[in-house]
Amino acid sequence: ETGVTQSPTHLIKTRGQQVTLRCSSQSGHNTVSWYQQALGQGPQFIFQYYREEENGRGNFPPRFSGLQFPNYSSELNVNALELDDSALYLCASSIQGLEQFFGPGTRLTVL
Amino acid sequence: AQKVTQAQTEISVVEKEDVTLDCVYETRDTTYYLFWYKQPPSGELVFLIRRNSFDEQNEISGRYSWNFQKSTSSFNFTITASQVVDSAVYFCALSEEVETSGSRLTFGEGTQLTVNP
Repeated sequence: ETGVTQSPTHLIKTRGQQVTLRCSSQSGHNTVSWYQQALGQGPQFIFQYYREEENGRGNFPPRFSGLQFPNYSSELNVNALELDDSALYLCASSIQGLEQFFGPGTRLTVL
Repeated sequence: AQKVTQAQTEISVVEKEDVTLDCVYETRDTTYYLFWYKQPPSGELVFLIRRNSFDEQNEISGRYSWNFQKSTSSFNFTITASQVVDSAVYFCALSEEVETSGSRLTFGEGTQLTVNP
């Protein structure tokens, strides 16, 4: 059974650019959640996707958007990058949201 | 609003010592779930345990044990006979039950545990 995978591992962008992060969910899981973890802090919930629709959103601006595909993989898009967007972005998959299993994360640095 | 507090920012112990990580939570929900995750330096969050709000039985898994006390809104985690490999950041998290399929995890700030040889 393949676990949650994320790509890329690391990414460096400059302010104002756009970025797309990708997540492949664990086999059999239909729900994907995204979290942002700033250095030295706990993860913060961004949003969740279930059956290709957004199903809950945290306190993040609209420039954070996402997609879920029919195979349950997902993308996180961030437009107009700001320095404070530098963080570890974690994807978690689950069956209907309950027990969430996390991927290794994508470390985004915004210069 | 939900909140999770891990008052211990850093803990340092010597190998073989027992260590307890504290977690206090706030929620208005009657049905909720509590979790512990381990985050080694590699960054991936590793699931350790899930408890629901109706099950206050303590649980033991090898060297790990968890003490859930609803009366004090606490869900503490004890590692017995700690080992160097236990060094990591440990997060306590809370999830509300939702009628749709979704749920979101609210994490504490984490406790950095360092086990010295």
